[in-house]
Amino acid sequence: QLQLQESGPGLVKPSETLSLTCTVYDESFSGYYWSWIRQPPGKGLEWIGEIDHSGTTNYNPSLKSRLTISGDSSQNQFSLKLSSVTAADTAVYYCARKNRNFYYDRSGYGYYWYFDLWGRGTLVAVSS
Amino acid sequence: EIVLTQSPGTLSLSPGERATLSCRASQSVSSNYLAWYQHKPGQAPRLLIYGASNRATGIPDRFSGRGSGTDFTLTISRLEPDDFAIYYCQQCGSSLPLTFGGGTKVEIK
Repeated sequence: QLQLQESGPGLVKPSETLSLTCTVYDESFSGYYWSWIRQPPGKGLEWIGEIDHSGTTNYNPSLKSRLTISGDSSQNQFSLKLSSVTAADTAVYYCARKNRNFYYDRSGYGYYWYFDLWGRGTLVAVSS
Repeated sequence: EIVLTQSPGTLSLSPGERATLSCRASQSVSSNYLAWYQHKPGQAPRLLIYGASNRATGIPDRFSGRGSGTDFTLTISRLEPDDFAIYYCQQCGSSLPLTFGGGTKVEIK
């Protein structure tokens, strides 16, 4: 079943702002970090940034000057805005949930962290 | 930034064979933060392993992970047709930014 869905324009002009929204279905927004990740054509995955339910954000330094991630817990949505885009920003953009799992064993205790829910991704092309 | 280097880039194997994928970090990664994902074209990535060695819910036991520090391995004991895909390792918070390896493509020989 669909749990995370990305939405937004599939084509953005150079120098403009790329805007995407991720809607979280049938899952709690609270208690997790929510991330954006992208994959340029023919390349690997790049973490863009994340937000938690309280609005705390962490950004990839390589994108920080152009990036805003915001959240709306009442709508179970979070959004990405990337300004001054170029062709290098053409990619499939994914939203994902970062979850954690508490452990307690002979070695001690702590949390495992991982991305356990992903959207199917949306292709955004930057072109005039 | 922690750089994760995966090798080999491509692994050509037949169904039933064993696949061994490597992920090497540029600096030590806490095992708590090391995860592996399977990715097929047009689909969402799928969590396989978290905490370096723990299988995610619903993942068959032919998938296993091990390692610590800077060297981690994902092993698929007997490849099934559905396993041919791209596999990524990721450090999920040992330090920011979170980073992924470049991926290993497991293809049918």
